[in-house]
Amino acid sequence: ETGVTQSPTHLIKTRGQQVTLRCSSQSGHNTVSWYQQALGQGPQFIFQYYREEENGRGNFPPRFSGLQFPNYSSELNVNALELDDSALYLCASSFNDRIPYGYTFGSGTRLTVV
Amino acid sequence: QKEVEQDPGPLSVPEGAIVSLNCTYSNSAFQYFMWYRQYSRKGPELLMYTYSSGNKEDGRFTAQVDKSSKYISLFIRDSQPSDSATYLCAMSGSGGYQKVTFGTGTKLQVIP
Repeated sequence: ETGVTQSPTHLIKTRGQQVTLRCSSQSGHNTVSWYQQALGQGPQFIFQYYREEENGRGNFPPRFSGLQFPNYSSELNVNALELDDSALYLCASSFNDRIPYGYTFGSGTRLTVV
Repeated sequence: QKEVEQDPGPLSVPEGAIVSLNCTYSNSAFQYFMWYRQYSRKGPELLMYTYSSGNKEDGRFTAQVDKSSKYISLFIRDSQPSDSATYLCAMSGSGGYQKVTFGTGTKLQVIP
């Protein structure tokens, strides 16, 4: 299977709720990164998982958490949603966590918090 | 000050024009320099990457890196309407795990 797929494509949640976003990586890609892209901004690094362990984290609070599974799928969980969490969430996968140019991005999940 | 600065545009040019997109950065540890293209409602796709200083050419696209000035550029020759998109510069260190830091993106419109 080729490409990175994300689900759902769009989501509307209420402030204070919890949300789970899903990503299916390319077969063989053992590294997945998650990014938050606010409107008119570049993607901001949330965290990265390598072989099911978190090996890097950006400047995001602990209410942002993740999981990576052996079948090349992963999740981003956000608790206690805030209005500022409204953004496009991007998943990117790579076969190697040491090659920063090797990531393939999904089309993202557009999250709106009301 | 942000680690990576990029003029958000928008930039509007006629078809066939040469386009110059630029970024500046402050982190001397950056070694990998990348350019991504992002169409509306899509994820970024890698156009080119450069390691350390120098130039790299791929078809109509040329990437330049000047580490002494902490300045990178992407040139697009003979621009086409299909080049209309947001262009993101991105940078990373080397050696072990390194996160990728993106610029804010420049929105480009090529007018037929």
